[in-house]
Amino acid sequence: DQQVKQNSPSLSVQEGRISILNCDYTNSMFDYFLWYKKYPAEGPTFLISISSIKDKNEDGRFTVFLNKSAKHLSLHIVPSQPGDSAVYFCAASVKYQGAQKLVFGQGTRLTINP
Amino acid sequence: GAVVSQHPSRVICKSGTSVKIECRSLDFQATTMFWYRQFPKQSLMLMATSNEGSKATYEQGVEKDKFLINHASLTLSTLTVTSAHPEDSSFYICSARQGERSEQYFGPGTRLTVT
Repeated sequence: DQQVKQNSPSLSVQEGRISILNCDYTNSMFDYFLWYKKYPAEGPTFLISISSIKDKNEDGRFTVFLNKSAKHLSLHIVPSQPGDSAVYFCAASVKYQGAQKLVFGQGTRLTINP
Repeated sequence: GAVVSQHPSRVICKSGTSVKIECRSLDFQATTMFWYRQFPKQSLMLMATSNEGSKATYEQGVEKDKFLINHASLTLSTLTVTSAHPEDSSFYICSARQGERSEQYFGPGTRLTVT
């Protein structure tokens, strides 16, 4: 049962343009959403997060949008840079049996072309 | 801030032996640490959650006697893979959380290869 889904395994974007990564979820109990960036053979790096009571959070070139009615969130990167090429994971936070857990999507490999 | 280290970064061991992986939060106190496993081209799968000074909580399907977790201090958690087999070969990643914050900060991961 995949509660957090990233339906696009890969995305290719021209340098300078906008990258939009999408994530869908099924569990309405998720209260916080996070985006992580991961390079091969490294641990994920936290990028940006959003509380379920907000619909937008912006940090520099990164903006996360949350549409609760559609159970959908997206990460916008603008302008895209070659260093943004990595795998991006969407994660959702939920409290289960008193403990907070993160549930990850499958990841989307973003490639920025010069 | 929020730096998490893991040691070793890479380990090769023989089938039947045990391997210990350390996870340290370097600049903050981690009340909770998490252990994940990642198979090639797949997502991170949570194995267990450990709180300092108490027993770890394992996810369904994870053998607690095989994957021993110790969280003895607010800056150190260890994962011991006991009697390792080739199917235990994987990328193991730890993360740490400070207080009740939702963000988890990840270590660089440990590549385990069991021959």
